Amino acid sequence: DAKTTQPNSMESNEEEPVHLPCNHSTISGTDYIHWYRQLPSQGPEYVIHGLTSNVNNRMASLAIAEDRKSSTLILHRATLRDAAVYYCILREPQGGSEKLVFGKGTKLTVNP
Amino acid sequence: DTAVSQTPKYLVTQMGNDKSIKCEQNLGHDTMYWYKQDSKKFLKIMFSYNNKELIINETVPNRFSPKSPDKAHLNLHINSLELGDSAVYFCASSPTSVEKLFFGSGTQLSVL
Repeated sequence: DAKTTQPNSMESNEEEPVHLPCNHSTISGTDYIHWYRQLPSQGPEYVIHGLTSNVNNRMASLAIAEDRKSSTLILHRATLRDAAVYYCILREPQGGSEKLVFGKGTKLTVNP
Repeated sequence: DTAVSQTPKYLVTQMGNDKSIKCEQNLGHDTMYWYKQDSKKFLKIMFSYNNKELIINETVPNRFSPKSPDKAHLNLHINSLELGDSAVYFCASSPTSVEKLFFGSGTQLSVL
């Protein structure tokens, strides 16, 4: 079901920037790109979303390629608390609503 | 106060039993969901309700029956539990069916 491709795992050092890539070559014109993360033993948590333009919030930045076939989640300064599985998701319309279809995600390890 | 709360957090039971998982959200959201995360950590949507009305019903065995007594609650009842039902079940809510989701902390179900 998932229409996104992400690396299985990535590593980063504390206080360094992290760039998490996501490919979504079959994205349609109306699909929003969403990112969620799941910390160990917790439910997923919303991080950020966008359609065409780059987006910033207090948690992260989202850079979207001009052709929208890929995007990158940027954590500007990784902390140990950012260690989690990060999911890149395209929201799929269904029956007037939408559903989140999660892929495998990228497991981010942050080294002290 | 927890925004989306699930009970119980852990549930251990025998094959063939019937059990329920309760979910409540105090965010005033209209839409609620149940997701299942299996041992391989894949998160899959099961059901979605909007204002107590079922709007998404994925291919889930009819032993699983969601019940929404009001828009703040979405309970999941499972009949005749099987070993394969062992997983973590997450409840979530969103303001509408097209906005970001808020997840509960999960219910770990173990069927012996």
